[in-house]
Amino acid sequence: AQKITQTQPGMFVQEKEAVTLDCTYDTSDPSYGLFWYKQPSSGEMIFLIYQGSYDQQNATEGRYSLNFQKARKSANLVISASQLGDSAMYFCAMREGGDTDKLIFGTGTRLQVFP
Amino acid sequence: NAGVTQTPKFQVLKTGQSMTLQCAQDMNHNSMYWYRQDPGMGLRLIYYSASEGTTDKGEVPNGYNVSRLNKREFSLRLESAAPSQTSVYFCASRVNNLDTQYFGPGTRLTVL
Repeated sequence: AQKITQTQPGMFVQEKEAVTLDCTYDTSDPSYGLFWYKQPSSGEMIFLIYQGSYDQQNATEGRYSLNFQKARKSANLVISASQLGDSAMYFCAMREGGDTDKLIFGTGTRLQVFP
Repeated sequence: NAGVTQTPKFQVLKTGQSMTLQCAQDMNHNSMYWYRQDPGMGLRLIYYSASEGTTDKGEVPNGYNVSRLNKREFSLRLESAAPSQTSVYFCASRVNNLDTQYFGPGTRLTVL
């Protein structure tokens, strides 16, 4: 079974608008971590944001926020005020249990921001 | 402070050839990782090293070997390259006592 599911292969958003990228996960561990990474066309993987399963509040980093709905097992990335430079692939990933050494990645969502 | 560096950036091999991908980090991180990224499949863990002198298999270790030469360096070796190993390879290291992994720029490997 897929541990991390990103159901949107591609998304379009107009510049300055907000966009939500979906991520659902599957784990029976009470302790886990959720991550979002950005991969621009240049290829590098850029860490964006992290949410721990015990964190009470949703994580935020500048224009990025993570909409964490534990009961639904979803960890959607919200990008506010989209910029042309946000056009990239976005990957959701999960660390399960106490094993901090293994990240499981989703298949990614390609976001395109148009003027 | 260069973060995580990888060499080479690009490589073309013939089937059966061997090569070593190099990775180094200057952030004093204990844990280092090798991933491969294939189209439409996200990243998959090949091997990792939780500390100097230790290595463990990840999700897709077959056809690879690794060496944690010292705290800074973690190399990935393909002894007999196969076309199925055509991929982009990423090295990463993890912030000590935190979950977050930081990635190198990647190596694009093509095996003909």
